[in-house]
Amino acid sequence: DTGVSQDPRHKITKRGQNVTFRCDPISEHNRLYWYRQTLGQGPEFLTYFQNEAQLEKSRLLSDRFSAERPKGSFSTLEIQRTEQGDSAMYLCASSSDQRVGGTTEKLFFGSGTQLSVL
Amino acid sequence: GQSLEQPSEVTAVEGAIVQINCTYQTSGFYGLSWYQQHDGGAPTFLSYNALDGLEETGRFSSFLSRSDSYGYLLLQELQMKDSASYFCAVRDSSYKLIFGSGTRLLVRP
Repeated sequence: DTGVSQDPRHKITKRGQNVTFRCDPISEHNRLYWYRQTLGQGPEFLTYFQNEAQLEKSRLLSDRFSAERPKGSFSTLEIQRTEQGDSAMYLCASSSDQRVGGTTEKLFFGSGTQLSVL
Repeated sequence: GQSLEQPSEVTAVEGAIVQINCTYQTSGFYGLSWYQQHDGGAPTFLSYNALDGLEETGRFSSFLSRSDSYGYLLLQELQMKDSASYFCAVRDSSYKLIFGSGTRLLVRP
């Protein structure tokens, strides 16, 4: 169990540019989530995958945001035409539908990608 | 839709007991979770309650009352390292978690 990895840790970009983040979940986990968190707030749900299928996407999520999980392994989150309001910590989490460690409800979070849009 | 309410900040002294409350409104409910997050760190799982009652894990306990749409996290024998933000989260009929805005716990010597 090497944990959930996210890359990059920090991203600074200019408004209007596109950015892409990568998440490598724990290898045996079939569920993968993207959340966004701003200072003083809880993680806000963005989207969720079961294997390679994107099962749910937040209604609050702009069409500028897209996520993929090819082959049900790593995932990418792309933000097109970034805006200053996109500045936040983008968190990836994974979980398993197998009862490992007593519960299937445990999400394992990565350290996040801190995005700053100038 | 879903909404969760928890106090924004709680202060307690080392060695004391503190309770962090969470009330929720959801269109479907499959359980209440608690996560801890230190400044600059990732959220880490503490506990999960699907049924009414108390779940104990070491110094931490979590309680759920489904009829009252209410739960709490109880931290005993507080240590300085417990200073962090604590989030309650509900799972609805899908597998996503909806998080509250968090309670910042400050433990003083």
